[in-house]
Amino acid sequence: EDKVVQSPLSLVVHEGDTVTLNCSYEVTNFRSLLWYKQEKKAPTFLFMLTSSGIEKKSGRLSSILDKKELFSILNITATQTGDSAIYLCAPWGAQKLVFGQGTRLTINP
Amino acid sequence: NAGVTQTPKFQVLKTGQSMTLQCAQDMNHEYMSWYRQDPGMGLRLIHYSVGAGITDQGEVPNGYNVSRSTTEDFPLRLLSAAPSQTSVYFCASSHDGNRGELFFGEGSRLTVL
Repeated sequence: EDKVVQSPLSLVVHEGDTVTLNCSYEVTNFRSLLWYKQEKKAPTFLFMLTSSGIEKKSGRLSSILDKKELFSILNITATQTGDSAIYLCAPWGAQKLVFGQGTRLTINP
Repeated sequence: NAGVTQTPKFQVLKTGQSMTLQCAQDMNHEYMSWYRQDPGMGLRLIHYSVGAGITDQGEVPNGYNVSRSTTEDFPLRLLSAAPSQTSVYFCASSHDGNRGELFFGEGSRLTVL
């Protein structure tokens, strides 16, 4: 059975802090792993990771994948209140994108 | 670009009623899928399709039917609504149903009384 576990489930930090969100997975026929950000509406795409050890960066966000240990992390540096959202990790496995429960991140000013 | 369009955005049903959530995409994507999202549960896959005429079950298919007669459309049918189907439903599509970005519709909030 496909399984995706994100931790922590909830995180509250102060503006300017750096946070690390974790995702471990077990899926059949793994191909890639996606990260999404969800605010009020539909999830918005952040990263797609296919190879181990290659960091993807977009501004203050970065992510890396370890296909041997079956996990990924999402880092956000110098957090801002606009980073408050649910962050979802989702590996592709056998034609199914399997989502974790998400990490609810709250940034306090 | 319209992307993925879902209708209706809001719907209230009584237990036992049937309805169809419509989903259309204009990106010529072969892969389409339906998810439901409940508080604290992430997104759970209901049904998916890898092309016209091909559908398959996801994690939570019971109580839902789908069909894929065209590449563009992937409707989700609730045959006899139950309160447990109260949720937010997302339709999504992708060019590649194995590794690519999944594009989401805006969601449909369904309440079953």
